[in-house]
Amino acid sequence: NAGVTQTPKFQVLKTGQSMTLQCAQDMNHNSMYWYRQDPGMGLRLIYYSASEGTTDKGEVPNGYNVSRLNKREFSLRLESAAPSQTSVYFCASQRGSGANVLTFGAGSRLTVL
Amino acid sequence: ELKVEQNPLFLSMQEGKNYTIYCNYSTTSDRLYWYRQDPGKSLESLFVLLSNGAVKQEGRLMASLDTKARLSTLHITAAVHDLSATYFCAPATSGSRLTFGEGTQLTVNP
Repeated sequence: NAGVTQTPKFQVLKTGQSMTLQCAQDMNHNSMYWYRQDPGMGLRLIYYSASEGTTDKGEVPNGYNVSRLNKREFSLRLESAAPSQTSVYFCASQRGSGANVLTFGAGSRLTVL
Repeated sequence: ELKVEQNPLFLSMQEGKNYTIYCNYSTTSDRLYWYRQDPGKSLESLFVLLSNGAVKQEGRLMASLDTKARLSTLHITAAVHDLSATYFCAPATSGSRLTFGEGTQLTVNP
C-alpha cells in the first residue's frame, strides 16, 4: 500500500512564485491535514479537511490555500511564496475523528529564495 | 490555545541506561499521541493514549498519561542505538486536531 503520497519531494521557488503541493491517500480516510515543520517548532497545522467538501484553518493558515478535490486528494497552494514559507511540509490522513492515528506522508521540502 | 512543552529537548544517553521524556500541556485533552521521527524522514506513530491512567508499552518504550496533571511521559528502558530519533508528543484538542510539542532529540551512544 502506498499510504499517503506527496509530490513533489523537493522544490525551490523564487519569492512571489506560486506552486501547489499535492497529497493523495489510498486508505479511504475521511480526514486530511497539512502541517509544516520548522526547526525547533515541532509541527504546526496549516489547514485540515474533516471530510470531503470541507476545509478549515489551522494554526498558521496565512499565505496558503487548500482544496479537497475528492476523498483521496488534498492539495496545498502557495499563491505568492515568501522566504518565511521555507519549510518541510507534511500531509497526513486519518480514518475518521477520534482515536485514530494520523498517517503521514514522506514530506515535501520547500525552499523559497 | 493549547501549549505543549516537552523536556528535555535534547537528550544524550548511553546504551543500557533508562530515561524519561516529559510532555506537559496547558488545557484539557482526552487523547495524546506519541510519534517518532528519524532524521530526514516522516513521522511514525508510536502510541495513542486514550484515557487518564492509560499506559502502553512497546519494546523498550512505555508511555503513560495523567489527564488531571496534563502530563504524559515516555520512558526508555535500557536504551539501544536504534532508539536514536526525535520523539514528539501531541495532545488532541477539538475534534482531532493535534498540537505537537517541539520534539525531544534523543541520541543513544554506544
